[in-house]
Amino acid sequence: ETGVTQTPRHLVMGMTNKKSLKCEQHLGHNAMYWYKQSAKKPLELMFVYSLEERVENNSVPSRFSPECPNSSHLFLHLHTLQPEDSALYLCASSQGVRRGTQYFGPGTRLTVL
Amino acid sequence: DQQVKQNSPSLSVQEGRISILNCDYTNSMFDYFLWYKKYPAEGPTFLISISSIKDKNEDGRFTVFLNKSAKHLSLHIVPSQPGDSAVYFCAVRLVGGNLIFGKGTKLSVKP
Repeated sequence: ETGVTQTPRHLVMGMTNKKSLKCEQHLGHNAMYWYKQSAKKPLELMFVYSLEERVENNSVPSRFSPECPNSSHLFLHLHTLQPEDSALYLCASSQGVRRGTQYFGPGTRLTVL
Repeated sequence: DQQVKQNSPSLSVQEGRISILNCDYTNSMFDYFLWYKKYPAEGPTFLISISSIKDKNEDGRFTVFLNKSAKHLSLHIVPSQPGDSAVYFCAVRLVGGNLIFGKGTKLSVKP
């Protein structure tokens, strides 16, 4: 695997479900990010991790819970989501937090019923 | 209020001609500017960038121009190819800050 990978690519869940999104970067970077892209809106930054430590939580509701066990892996745990949370969730990584170029994964298309 | 604006949601260009994608920003303190390309069902792919100390950066068919006085960024693709059809996002960043993205412009290059 190369670059940034994300699983699953598509996810449909009910409002009472608990699910997790996974991101893995194979670029040797030390910063990772979660973004949300809703229809007709710009990419919105959700979380930033640097060296496994969360350095930014961009006013994201607590029903989204990130986890960064090491510099290569990033998770987004989801529980009791709302239909308006349906969106494309993108993971990115960079060398240096808020520095350099960010490289994105293919995203997870999430639908909340 | 949007700090980064891509005022054209879509652009259609004939193959072989020039595509010009535009982006306006509001904060003169932004120091780094990027363009990303996104195909359907894929994540954004980095295309080209420019720092605020330059006014032009070229990479093959792609050239980015920065007009700091006008707070305007543009991407020129010449010659345009059908494979360039995608959504193009501009992104800007303050020193030590996060990337801020525009809403994107959908480019269609017709054979």
